[in-house]
Amino acid sequence: AQKVTQTQTSISVVEKTTVTMDCVYETRDSSYFLFWYKQTASGEIVFLIRQDSYKKENATVGHYSLNFQKPKSSIGLIITATQIEDSAVYFCAMRGWGGRALIFGTGTTVSVSP
Amino acid sequence: EAAVTQSPRNKVTVTGGNVTLSCRQTNSHNYMYWYRQDTGHGLRLIHYSYGAGNLQIGDVPDGYKATRTTQEDFFLLLELASPSQTSLYFCASSGEDAEQFFGPGTRLTVL
Repeated sequence: AQKVTQTQTSISVVEKTTVTMDCVYETRDSSYFLFWYKQTASGEIVFLIRQDSYKKENATVGHYSLNFQKPKSSIGLIITATQIEDSAVYFCAMRGWGGRALIFGTGTTVSVSP
Repeated sequence: EAAVTQSPRNKVTVTGGNVTLSCRQTNSHNYMYWYRQDTGHGLRLIHYSYGAGNLQIGDVPDGYKATRTTQEDFFLLLELASPSQTSLYFCASSGEDAEQFFGPGTRLTVL
């Protein structure tokens, strides 16, 4: 069975610093897709970034980047130069090669203070 | 970016009541999904569809029916609502090998 685990419940950082959050996954698929989503205080869920397992290069979009360590089944999210509006719950998710469903972790709450 | 809308945004019903949640997407995506979000569980897939008339069972389907009437419209039906179905419900859509885009959510309370 596929599983996604986010062990960090919450992280607090100061504005303009870097925050890193962890995610580990379990799958028997040789190829799969990994995603990070952000849920704002209003409840909106926003897609941030994805990593396809067959790509060796870590994905980067704006001030979001990934630390993909395939041998460790790990996909960390790094947010640089954090802003107050980065305060949110961040979800890691996985989809198997032949599947459609996203399997979500339980989320990490990030609080960015001035 | 896909536009996904949901209605109603909030709904209160009683145990045994009949509820229909609606979702519409306007970017011609083939796939549509219904999730529920509960504290401690994250988002869990209820049902999904890859086109009009198609329905696939998700991970937590018990107590839910769904119907995809057109490429744009996907409905979630609770025919005998129970308090355990009190939750935040999200609809999403996606293309073939792409990320999913979510609607704003519907908060359902079953008294």
